[in-house]
Amino acid sequence: QSALTQPASVSGSPGQSITISCTGSNSDVGTYNLVSWYQHHPDKAPKVIIYEVTKRPSGVSSRFSGSKSGNTASLTISGLQADDEAHYYCCSYVGPTAWVFGGGTKLTVL
Amino acid sequence: QVLLVESGGGVVQPGGSLRLSCAASGFNFRRTNMHWVRQAPGKGLEWVAFTRAIGGERSYVDSAKGRFTISRDNSHNTVLLQMDSLTIEDTAVYYCVQDGGNHQFESWGQGTLVTVSS
Repeated sequence: QSALTQPASVSGSPGQSITISCTGSNSDVGTYNLVSWYQHHPDKAPKVIIYEVTKRPSGVSSRFSGSKSGNTASLTISGLQADDEAHYYCCSYVGPTAWVFGGGTKLTVL
Repeated sequence: QVLLVESGGGVVQPGGSLRLSCAASGFNFRRTNMHWVRQAPGKGLEWVAFTRAIGGERSYVDSAKGRFTISRDNSHNTVLLQMDSLTIEDTAVYYCVQDGGNHQFESWGQGTLVTVSS
């Protein structure tokens, strides 16, 4: 159950797009299309923004999108806004009934 | 709306025990799988434990196996986490989390802080 690998930090200017990668292995990301992404602002509860690799929960902006290639999943945020500044975590099902998170990425909006 | 309220956190010495409780409302609890997820100071999120709504299945992260026990009381819409043999590495904010049914952690409580310190 090793943590998935994410970059520690990314940054972008308002209006730009950024992509956060999440690298796992053939035992998790590469096997299951069950990757989810979470936005976590300080002192608030985490919020799911992507599930099953590409799906957005109701109410989540279409500026957030997910994808996967091989053992790496990605989160793209387009049209960056100041409120997007937060930590982002990926998570993958690793079966049976076990899950693993990435180490988290701090997004800074310049 | 979904509401998850954790309680039971506090300061405990290494080797001690603590029981966390999560009161759930706003959804059909007895048909919903539930999790505990934690975040150590300055660290990322870590899935800790899972309880299936029906059938009694439970699972744990390797570091919690043999020390933590997750349980649920469907008559009181409550999920518990009994933590024994606590170590400094268990210091974290513990979140109670509703499973969204698609392997997503759909709704989160505000968390309860557990500090293991001598």
